[in-house]
Amino acid sequence: GAVVSQHPSWVICKSGTSVKIECRSLDFQATTMFWYRQFPKQSLMLMATSNEGSKATYEQGVEKDKFLINHASLTLSTLTVTSAHPEDSSFYICSARPFSNRYEQYFGPGTRLTVT
Amino acid sequence: DAKTTQPTSMDCAEGRAANLPCNHSTISGNEYVYWYRQIHSQGPQYIIHGLKNNETNEMASLIITEDRKSSTLILPHATLRDTAVYYCIVTNDYKLSFGAGTTVTVRA
Repeated sequence: GAVVSQHPSWVICKSGTSVKIECRSLDFQATTMFWYRQFPKQSLMLMATSNEGSKATYEQGVEKDKFLINHASLTLSTLTVTSAHPEDSSFYICSARPFSNRYEQYFGPGTRLTVT
Repeated sequence: DAKTTQPTSMDCAEGRAANLPCNHSTISGNEYVYWYRQIHSQGPQYIIHGLKNNETNEMASLIITEDRKSSTLILPHATLRDTAVYYCIVTNDYKLSFGAGTTVTVRA
């Protein structure tokens, strides 16, 4: 149980285009979902927190107009990287906190984004 | 959230117990200790968490000192698949701040 999926697992896009990444909790409902970014040889950095049906809360320094987050249901959150640039190339990871157990958080497998 | 200090890296032998220390001397009374690990190029995996009592699950044991200023994660019988970066995180809410963690290499 407690499986989180992400789609796609990797994506290559051209500079200036937008990319959407999906995060789904497969066997549980998630009160809250989180988006992280990880650059090579660095640790995970929290980008934003989203609750179903409400606007996401972004961490300091994260541009909310560039990283659009939609949390449409208790099992799905999407991150759209708009007008992508090469410096947005990174490993994007989502996590979900179960409605039934707020003490645990389960992570997706990550999405590798490369912007050329 | 309280800051944590972990060794940068450690090696352990396959089949032996791996003891991973974490210092969190500024932990406050309502903060939990969480452990996650990240195998290369994958999302982090939840291992265990605790408040003040020792905890055990199918993956590991968590030993928290009585003053709660430090803790140890114990992998009872390390396997090659336990090679990963292990993160000790202290928090009293849902936000997880990942530090550099400990890179654990299990050797045959």
